Formats: sequence, structure tokens, C-alpha cells
Amino acid sequence: EVQLLESGGGLVQPGGSLRLSCAASGITFSGYGMNWVRQAPGKGLDWVANISPTGDNTYYADSVKGRFTVSRDNSKNTLHLQMNGLRAEDTALYYCVRGSMGPDYWGQGTLVTVSS
Amino acid sequence: DVVMTQSPLSLPVTLGQPASISCTSSQSLVFSDGNTYLNWFQQRPGQSPRRLIYKASKRDSGVPDRFSGSGSGTDFTLKISRVEAEDVGVYYCMQGTHWPRTFGQGTKLEIK
Repeated sequence: EVQLLESGGGLVQPGGSLRLSCAASGITFSGYGMNWVRQAPGKGLDWVANISPTGDNTYYADSVKGRFTVSRDNSKNTLHLQMNGLRAEDTALYYCVRGSMGPDYWGQGTLVTVSS
Repeated sequence: DVVMTQSPLSLPVTLGQPASISCTSSQSLVFSDGNTYLNWFQQRPGQSPRRLIYKASKRDSGVPDRFSGSGSGTDFTLKISRVEAEDVGVYYCMQGTHWPRTFGQGTKLEIK
């Protein structure tokens, strides 16, 4: 069974940093591109970032480019999202999602709240 | 960026009746490999999204056959042949052809 378990969310002040992680099991992690997708409270889905299976290529939404960094450790089946310079508008539930062109499996999400 | 436009944004439907959601992209979603990477997701209240359809018309395993996807190029449709109570939620289209990936605004399906 495929499982994606996010962690690392919490309350952070504007300008602060957080590092999200996603532990994958039940899949050949190194064979898939991976995404972070977020959802602000009561709002729609917002794609954030993608990393290729080997980690050689990364892609970002314009809204997070230069502030967020996606990375992966295939030896530990883990995906990360380093978030710096956080803003109130980054407040959202952050999902880890498998697949670059046809995302299929989603985690349960980890909540990030940016507030003073 | 590719803009994905869904309509309607609110969809009240009587149980047992059909429903249809449109999704239009601002650019063709045909990839260089010839595939069209248009996905449909269902998000039930309080749950993570679940993919229903990929490559515009391929239904995921376990998805009831009352769900179908169609379309090509820039115009796509998700149809539910007979709405059931468990279909309540928000439906999103998402393109996987161009960077950055983009979602439609979402269509909220409710029972009339």
C-alpha cells in the first residue's frame, strides 16, 4: 500500500523558516517525480514545486521561487521542502504528491500557519 | 502560465441525474510524446484529493464507471452519468503538460 506521510508543519512568524518532510512507503520512491501541493483554508489546490526522480531537475511556482527549495533523499525514501521567508499567504495545508504529469497518490498533508 | 478555467463553479444536482464539468486550458495540453496530460481530481469534505481521470480520459483503478473524462487540445469534460450521495465534494482539473503545473478553480458539487 502506498503511503505518503508529511511532517514538519507548525506555527511560524512572518519571515521565518520551516522544513517539511514526506516519508514514502509502498512505492519505488526513486522511480517517480514528486510534488508539493498546498491548499489554503477554504481555498483550492495550488501546485508549489516538483522534483525529478533523480533530483537533477526542480520546478517551482512563481509565488515561491527563490524562497522554497525542494529536495529528496532516495536512500531514505524522503522528500523535503525547505521554506524560507515565509509570508501570511503561505498559510496552507501542504500535501506531498507522487507523479509529475499525472499525480496520483496524495498524503494527508501537514498544516503550515504563518502568523505573528 | 497555463490558465485552467472550470465551469460551473457550483453544481447542484439531483440524485440519480447526470452532471458535467467543463475545463478549458489557455494552451494546448498535448505533450511532445503525443499524450494529453489532463487530470481530474475529486476532493470529498475533509479528505485529501483523489485522482479520478488521467490523460484526459483514462479512469483510475477503483473509480466507478459512472465517471468519464473526454476532450482534447484545450477543452475537456468530466461527466458523472448518475450522481450518488458519495459524489459530493469539489472537483478539480489539473494540467501536467506544462511548467508550472496548474489547477482549475474547482467545482463544488452538491445534492439538490
